[in-house]
Amino acid sequence: GIQVEQSPPDLILQEGANSTLRCNFSDSVNNLQWFHQNPWGQLINLFYIPSGTKQNGRLSATTVATERYSLLYISSSQTTDSGVYFCAVNSNSGYALNFGKGTSLLVTP
Amino acid sequence: DGGITQSPKYLFRKEGQNVTLSCEQNLNHDAMYWYRQDPGQGLRLIYYSQIVNDFQKGDIAEGYSVSREKKESFPLTVTSAQKNPTAFYLCASSYAGGRHEQYFGPGTRLTVT
Repeated sequence: GIQVEQSPPDLILQEGANSTLRCNFSDSVNNLQWFHQNPWGQLINLFYIPSGTKQNGRLSATTVATERYSLLYISSSQTTDSGVYFCAVNSNSGYALNFGKGTSLLVTP
Repeated sequence: DGGITQSPKYLFRKEGQNVTLSCEQNLNHDAMYWYRQDPGQGLRLIYYSQIVNDFQKGDIAEGYSVSREKKESFPLTVTSAQKNPTAFYLCASSYAGGRHEQYFGPGTRLTVT
């Protein structure tokens, strides 16, 4: 099946710093989603972005489908941004999402 | 309020007992999914259903069973045949399979001792 690799696995930032999270995938996709998992386990939808660029407040994402990667940018980070960020994709022949192992982000005051 | 509900939030069972996790959605989605998450890991697909009365095995279906009698509901049974049932279980739904955006419920934490 399709492989999804996220980097870095762990990230510690001071409040106000910017960061870039990366997601590489091994096959063509028709769905790519970024999620934030909060401390209670809830998966919050950040972006649905199989291609192109989107922005939502301090967060933005870019997917370059032809080169099989996606980037999630977090600017002016806040302590509430802490948690695990997951990238998940669906291959053109698949029916459900395949998840990476996530990037664990800690933002300190 | 539209969304996906899962119950219970926490569940404790003794080894050898079957247990059923509930998942309900009022988003009018055709497709529903069950995923399992172990500590420090991403989610893995257990079962999915693209339409009522039809469902397919995912990557880790052994020891689990599902039913899809209503569009809104997709319960998951963890049977005694599942060797390591302790995990966090998440239900999701989408308008159709694969390419459509998926939305997740709050999850059920199952502990089996």
